[in-house]
Amino acid sequence: KQEVTQIPAALSVPEGENLVLNCSFTDSAIYNLQWFRQDPGKGLTSLLLIQSSQREQTSGRLNASLDKSSGRSTLYIAASQPGDSATYLCAVRQENAGNMLTFGGGTRLMVKP
Amino acid sequence: NAGVTQTPKFRILKIGQSMTLQCAQDMNHNYMYWYRQDPGMGLKLIYYSVGAGITDKGEVPNGYNVSRSTTEDFPLRLELAAPSQTSVYFCASSPKRWGASDTQYFGPGTRLTVL
Repeated sequence: KQEVTQIPAALSVPEGENLVLNCSFTDSAIYNLQWFRQDPGKGLTSLLLIQSSQREQTSGRLNASLDKSSGRSTLYIAASQPGDSATYLCAVRQENAGNMLTFGGGTRLMVKP
Repeated sequence: NAGVTQTPKFRILKIGQSMTLQCAQDMNHNYMYWYRQDPGMGLKLIYYSVGAGITDKGEVPNGYNVSRSTTEDFPLRLELAAPSQTSVYFCASSPKRWGASDTQYFGPGTRLTVL
């Protein structure tokens, strides 16, 4: 059974810092991995999706990397801003598991002005 | 497009009561999903549907029922509510041809408390 773990569970940084969020998964037979952002009282917004054949994806100040063999992904946020404060979730889509996503527990990020 | 909509936003139930959480999407997506998210945890799949008339269990289906009579709607029924069902419920949808680069689209969630 696939298990997804995110470390740290919570993170507080001053504005302007570069930061890294970590995601690990136990079964490397994945179809893709996604990073989502969740704001309080809101649904999930997809930030980046990395297909199993890819090593990284970039969008603006966000960069996500994937190392399938070691079961790890990182989300790098450059020059953090207070507006980046949210919970970040990673989810893996398993090969041969239909359309099911397995989610990590999330990292709650607070960027202080 | 409104995307994925959910009603109600909040609800308090007494133990043993029943209710239906509504979910609708206007993107003509074939696949629809129900997840629950407990405090500080990730999302867990309750039920999913690959099209009208077809549903299947996810990881945590006990205590819930679903139906899919139309492409647009995917209601989740709670029978005999229990405190363990206190959670935030998210509905999501995705296209039929869900390729490697496609994502699921999520509704805003329903916060349910069972007392």
